[in-house]
Amino acid sequence: QQQVKQSPQSLIVQKGGISIINCAYENTAFDYFPWYQQFPGKGPALLIAIRPDVSEKKEGRFTISFNKSAKQFSLHIMDSQPGDSATYFCAALLENQFYFGTGTSLTVIP
Amino acid sequence: DGGITQSPKYLFRKEGQNVTLSCEQNLNHDAMYWYRQDPGQGLRLIYYSQIVNDFQKGDIAEGYSVSREKKESFPLTVTSAQKNPTAFYLCASSPTTYNSPLHFGNGTRLTVT
Repeated sequence: QQQVKQSPQSLIVQKGGISIINCAYENTAFDYFPWYQQFPGKGPALLIAIRPDVSEKKEGRFTISFNKSAKQFSLHIMDSQPGDSATYFCAALLENQFYFGTGTSLTVIP
Repeated sequence: DGGITQSPKYLFRKEGQNVTLSCEQNLNHDAMYWYRQDPGQGLRLIYYSQIVNDFQKGDIAEGYSVSREKKESFPLTVTSAQKNPTAFYLCASSPTTYNSPLHFGNGTRLTVT
C-alpha cells in the first residue's frame, strides 16, 4: 500500500514556466514532509521541507503548499530552468521512517 | 567535507553470489538506512538502524542482511536469496532529532546476471 501518492509521473515544462508536483497522504500522524531532487546517477538531495502546522514555505524559486484538511501537499517551481530537469520525490515522516512517493521526472525545455 | 560514501559506484555479480555494498558516513548521525530504487517505484526501505548493534527490517528486507558494528558504517549484503537483486541501492543517514531530513549517498548500481 502506497502511503504517499505522487503525481504526475512525468512533467514537461517550458523554460520560465511553473512546474507543479502533487502528493497526497492518508496517515494524519505524518509530521514532516520533505521534497528531494535527484539527478541521474546521484542520490536524492533535500530541496525543501515543511511541517504540518505551516501552510506554505518558500525558498527561492521553490515553494511547498500544504493543505492539512485535504491531506495534500505540492511543490511549485517558479521560473523553471533546464537545470531543474531531474526527478523529484515527496516524502512523509512518521516515527523515524520516511515514506516516499514514486517520483516525478521533470523536463524543462529551453 | 561531511557526507555519506557508498562504494563501489557500479558492481557486477553472477547469480548465486552474495555481495556486500559499503556505506560510510562522517556526519555523526545515529540513524542509517538502506533503500532500493527501481524505475517507477520510488524508494523502498530495506533496513534501518537507529543505534549501533541494532537494526530493523523495512518493507523489503527478504534476501538482504545488514550489520551495524560502528556508528559510521552500515554495510548491506545482498544474498543469493534475493530474487531480483539488480537495482540502484541508496544509503542514507539522519540525526535522531525531531523532524530531521535524510542525507543520501550517491548510490551503488548493482547488476546481477
